[in-house]
Amino acid sequence: EVQLVESGGGLVQPGGSLRLSCAASGYTFSNYWMSWVRQAPGKGLEWVANIKEDGNEKYYIDSVKGRFTISRDNAKNLLYVQMNSLRAEDTAVYYCTRDGSGTSNNWGQGTPVTVSS
Amino acid sequence: DIQMTQSPSTLSASVGDRVAITCRASENINIWLAWYQQKPGKAPKFLISRASNLESGVPSRFSGSGSGTEFTLTISSLQPDDFATYYCQQHKSYPRTFGQGTKVEIK
Repeated sequence: EVQLVESGGGLVQPGGSLRLSCAASGYTFSNYWMSWVRQAPGKGLEWVANIKEDGNEKYYIDSVKGRFTISRDNAKNLLYVQMNSLRAEDTAVYYCTRDGSGTSNNWGQGTPVTVSS
Repeated sequence: DIQMTQSPSTLSASVGDRVAITCRASENINIWLAWYQQKPGKAPKFLISRASNLESGVPSRFSGSGSGTEFTLTISSLQPDDFATYYCQQHKSYPRTFGQGTKVEIK
């Protein structure tokens, strides 16, 4: 069974940094693209970034380019997103997803990030 | 970016009803359209890819149709477990974009 468990969320001040992790199990992690998708409180879903199986291709939504970095460690079955220069509008639940053909086929439970002073 | 627009935003229906949710893309996305279901406080669940391909384990009362710029998610006979919010997403190009969601509530 595919399991994705996010961690690392919390309260951070504007301009601060946070690194989220996602531990994957139940499948061969290195065979799949992975994504981060977020959901602001009471709002819809927003795709944030994704990364190819070998880590050599990455894509980002414009609003996080230059501030967020997605990465992965295939030896440890871990997905990361390093979030710098955080803004209030980054406040959301962040989901890790295992991708299919451009779709988010499996989702973690999410980790909440609050950017506030 | 490709804009995705869902209608209606809220749909009130009864158990047993046939319901349809529409998703429109701002440009041609061929069949690169997915549907997700989300219940309050839970992660979304993947239902359909490529406009009409039902994910394994998804009940057959769910179906998807359409191509180009207009798509439909249909639930043939609404069940109590189906009251949720539904999102479409284009998976043709980056950035992947979602519709704003359609909440299916009990009438």
